[in-house]
Amino acid sequence: KNEVEQSPQNLTAQEGEFITINCSYSVGISALHWLQQHPGGGIVSLFMLSSGKKKHGRLIATINIQEKHSSLHITASHPRDSAVYICAVSPNTGNQFYFGTGTSLTVIP
Amino acid sequence: DTAVSQTPKYLVTQMGNDKSIKCEQNLGHDTMYWYKQDSKKFLKIMFSYNNKELIINETVPNRFSPKSPDKAHLNLHINSLELGDSAVYFCASSLSIAGVTQYFGPGTRLTVL
Repeated sequence: KNEVEQSPQNLTAQEGEFITINCSYSVGISALHWLQQHPGGGIVSLFMLSSGKKKHGRLIATINIQEKHSSLHITASHPRDSAVYICAVSPNTGNQFYFGTGTSLTVIP
Repeated sequence: DTAVSQTPKYLVTQMGNDKSIKCEQNLGHDTMYWYKQDSKKFLKIMFSYNNKELIINETVPNRFSPKSPDKAHLNLHINSLELGDSAVYFCASSLSIAGVTQYFGPGTRLTVL
C-alpha cells in the first residue's frame, strides 16, 4: 500500500468549475508538498505546507494534520490548469519522500 | 535564468550502453535529488545528496551511480542500460534536507532501444 493516496486519479471539469483534489497519507510528516506537472513534462512546486492553509492566486491548499489529509482546490478553473497534480510528503523521520500517483486534471473550455 | 537545468533533454540509446545525465542548480541549495518517473507517471526518489554527501540511496540497481563534484552539480551515470531504464529522470534541489520546497529541473526523457 502506498504511503500517499490521491483521489480522484482522473478528473475532467468544465471551465469555471471549482475543483478539489484530495491527498491522504499514513505517516507522520514534517511537510506536505503539492506539485504540478504540465503536459510538456515540467514539474513545478505549488505549495509546501505543514499546517493550516495557503493560497496562491486561484489555488488553495489545506492540510489537517490530525486527519492526515490535504486538499488542493482550484477556483474558477481554466484549461491552462490541465496538468497532473502530485501530492508528496516529507516524513518526520528519515530523509525520504513519498509521492502519490498523481491526479490528471483536464479542464474543458 | 534557469534555476535547475538538466542535459540532455532527450536521450535515445541502445541497450548495454553507458550514459550520463547532468544536473546543475544555481540557487545555492545544499541538497539535490534524482527522481525517476515511470510510464505510469509515478515519481520515485532515487538519490539525494546534501553538501556533496549521499543521504538517500533507494533500492536502485548499482548500475546507477550518482556523482556530485560540488554542491551545484549532481550527475547521474547509468551503466549497461536496460529497456526498463526508459523513463523520465528529474533532478531537483532544495535549500536543505526534507520539509522544504524543491525546485525541479525540466526532466530528461531516456529511451533505451
